[in-house]
Amino acid sequence: KAGVTQTPRYLIKTRGQQVTLSCSPISGHRSVSWYQQTPGQGLQFLFEYFSETQRNKGNFPGRFSGRQFSNSRSEMNVSTLELGDSALYLCASSFPGQENNEQFFGPGTRLTVL
Amino acid sequence: AQSVTQLGSHVSVSEGALVLLRCNYSSSVPPYLFWYVQYPNQGLQLLLKYTTGATLVKGINGFEAEFKKSETSFHLTKPSAHMSDAAEYFCAVPSGGSYIPTFGRGTSLIVHP
Repeated sequence: KAGVTQTPRYLIKTRGQQVTLSCSPISGHRSVSWYQQTPGQGLQFLFEYFSETQRNKGNFPGRFSGRQFSNSRSEMNVSTLELGDSALYLCASSFPGQENNEQFFGPGTRLTVL
Repeated sequence: AQSVTQLGSHVSVSEGALVLLRCNYSSSVPPYLFWYVQYPNQGLQLLLKYTTGATLVKGINGFEAEFKKSETSFHLTKPSAHMSDAAEYFCAVPSGGSYIPTFGRGTSLIVHP
């Protein structure tokens, strides 16, 4: 089975721009979660989608948004980029998203905001 | 809400030495606890998970963790470190009423030859 894939792997943007990151979960997985990883804040949960619906949301401003498609692929969007948005963005999928289920992580997208 | 604390942002050991990475959970006994590993330029990978009833949990790559209720701990150990174990290790617990894991700040394991 192919693992979780994320595109692009690296991205450089300037302040004020917007960006869209993509995540393809493992086949059959319907839950997709997004995390932001920074040296200062560690791993922080952004949001989780299940069957095209946002089921859980972390404590991030509205500039961060996401969606999930019928094939479970997910995108996240960050508008009006700030320097502090520079981070590794990780996507994780699981099936069917219960507590004891392992989350399978993609390699991440490294976003640099200049 | 449940949380975990990882003591020590960096742990340095010699190759062949015992590895001990510490994790303490916050309050009531959680139904699940996880250890994940992140190698450079990669995502996280599950090392092992605790489910209610087990005390010693064996994972991949020779790692194991012992759940100690009296100490609210779930420390990760490996008898003999290998250079390939150098990575970031995260302890995690499902948060509150959600199953979304809350991660500790991570411990960077450095292995010296």
